[in-house]
Amino acid sequence: AQSVTQLDSQVPVFEEAPVELRCNYSSSVSVYLFWYVQYPNQGLQLLLKYLSGSTLVKGINGFEAEFNKSQTSFHLRKPSVHISDTAEYFCAVTRGGFQKLVFGTGTRLLVSP
Amino acid sequence: DADVTQTPRNRITKTGKRIMLECSQTKGHDRMYWYRQDPGLGLRLIYYSFDVKDINKGEISDGYSVSRQAQAKFSLSLESAIPNQTALYFCATSGTGTENTGELFFGEGSRLTVL
Repeated sequence: AQSVTQLDSQVPVFEEAPVELRCNYSSSVSVYLFWYVQYPNQGLQLLLKYLSGSTLVKGINGFEAEFNKSQTSFHLRKPSVHISDTAEYFCAVTRGGFQKLVFGTGTRLLVSP
Repeated sequence: DADVTQTPRNRITKTGKRIMLECSQTKGHDRMYWYRQDPGLGLRLIYYSFDVKDINKGEISDGYSVSRQAQAKFSLSLESAIPNQTALYFCATSGTGTENTGELFFGEGSRLTVL
């Protein structure tokens, strides 16, 4: 069975600092990878996705992630965070179809002034 | 208005009561899902439906049932609620064919507390 590991449950950073949220997955076959963001009292929305092609994926709000097949990782990065980036971020993986989508446990990003 | 609407947004109930959470969508998607979110556990799939006549169990279906009343409506029921069903519940949709953008679209969630 697939699994997704988000190593950090909480990441505190100062505004305008860079941030990396880590995600590792376990699968020996091709996968599709996603990052979703959940702002307070809201549902999840898609930040970015890797389906195929370039391993560097750019998403909304200045976020990007790099698919590293050899390290089975899909870390999320942003060079300079804003207060408004405070949210919970979920990594997710599937081998095919959303009915098989497995979510990580989430990383709470706390951006302070 | 939201594309995926959940009602109620918040509900407090007592053990043993029957509860229904409703989801409606205006995206025209065939596929709908119910997830449960618990702190530290992420999201887990309860049930999913690929069209009106298709209902499938997800990872944690015990204690839950669903009804797909129409393409746009997918309800989740707890026949006899218990405290460990206290959680945040999300409905989601996805498209097929040319509507498949590789993205799940979520409602804003229904927070259920079972006392």
